[in-house]
Amino acid sequence: QLQQHESGPGLVKPSETLSLTCTVSGGSIGNNPYYWGWVRQAPGKGLEWIGSMYHGGDTYYNPSLKSRVTISVDTSKNHFSLKLDSVTAADTAIYYCARQDSGLSSSWPSWGQGTLVTVSS
Amino acid sequence: QSVLTQPPSVSAAPGQRVTISCSGSSSNIGNNYVSWYQQLPGTAPNLLIYNNNWRPSGIPDRFSGSKSGTSATLGITGLQTGDEADYYCGTWDSSLSAYVFGTGTTVSVL
Repeated sequence: QLQQHESGPGLVKPSETLSLTCTVSGGSIGNNPYYWGWVRQAPGKGLEWIGSMYHGGDTYYNPSLKSRVTISVDTSKNHFSLKLDSVTAADTAIYYCARQDSGLSSSWPSWGQGTLVTVSS
Repeated sequence: QSVLTQPPSVSAAPGQRVTISCSGSSSNIGNNYVSWYQQLPGTAPNLLIYNNNWRPSGIPDRFSGSKSGTSATLGITGLQTGDEADYYCGTWDSSLSAYVFGTGTTVSVL
């Protein structure tokens, strides 16, 4: 069964770039119909979709974050990555990588455990 | 602020039934599948319902989903203390071109 987990710095300075990696285990990231994405949750707040990608390289971003977000995949390492530029304190959140069933509009059946990223100097 | 509106909280005694509403519009719930997620304290969300009313394997039939027009509902019967959690609806919004989650509902067992 495909699983994934996040890794990356837990502390990022304001104006810098947040970088996280999601490593997939239990199967190949590129040999299935799934979409892979990132969802975040600010402390005490709800869930916010950041973006999704297909292993072929197609990417889709939340319009509210699109100018700062890049999601990319490295099928040779079986992982995909998130970069969020010019972060501020408002980007402090738990970041989850997750799998979508079979399309942008489909459900999210598998989530990583999440990683807390704090933006602070 | 989310385009999917849920009540902030619902509560009931053990064994009772609760329902959680998720109100949207024709650009989201009205024309796309809805899913529901349970988030226990300090953990990642867990899929409870997909495609409006289907349960993934392992999810008890105490949990049910329905959709009518631009609203969806999650029902929980036989409420247990272990059901205390935050619940979110989610769907695609065709106008925003974004996946959207509801505002979230906290379920408390009295």
